[in-house]
Amino acid sequence: EAQVTQNPRYLITVTGKKLTVTCSQNMNHEYMSWYRQDPGLGLRQIYYSMNVEVTDKGDVPEGYKVSRKEKRNFPLILESPSPNQTSLYFCASSLYGRAETQYFGPGTRLLVL
Amino acid sequence: DQQVKQNSPSLSVQEGRISILNCDYTNSMFDYFLWYKKYPAEGPTFLISISSIKDKNEDGRFTVFLNKSAKHLSLHIVPSQPGDSAVYFCAASALLGAQKLVFGQGTRLTINP
Repeated sequence: EAQVTQNPRYLITVTGKKLTVTCSQNMNHEYMSWYRQDPGLGLRQIYYSMNVEVTDKGDVPEGYKVSRKEKRNFPLILESPSPNQTSLYFCASSLYGRAETQYFGPGTRLLVL
Repeated sequence: DQQVKQNSPSLSVQEGRISILNCDYTNSMFDYFLWYKKYPAEGPTFLISISSIKDKNEDGRFTVFLNKSAKHLSLHIVPSQPGDSAVYFCAASALLGAQKLVFGQGTRLTINP
């Protein structure tokens, strides 16, 4: 079954404690992306990657890091989380970056205290 | 600065009637538009798209209309069914792809039996 998986699905942490949200896809997609969803703001792109070792900033990259060492994985790293990073996070992948082929993961709900 | 706006946070429609969801955009460089549907605890899923060279695209019960001069698009669902109850996101791209997808805030559609 084609899918994008994220772990963990729920996370409560404290300010400053580094965390990583993993994302993995089994469709051999080149393109992967991270979004955050906040009330009244919709989904905003954090980072995207067009292939292994190729990443670029989205609209709200501050406070986040990503890496793409393998095609299937695209982890999101919060080096020093702050309360304003409390949000619902989605990872997505697509074939050749075609938006209509974009599969989203189920989401990771993060609360930073 | 919200480049893609969905001004109705919620919409309630009777089963069997037409649902019309609206979306406005400000960036004239956008040339590809998509609608995504999102159920609770799941990631968004692609629903329908339209290129700026068209003014209408139809897929079963779903039709998207694009008015470039007004920078406005709408999604029509006919007839509406209870399973259509979800949050709908409008999205736009200037690259015909997912690299820089800009989302609206979302509209929660509720279909009443």
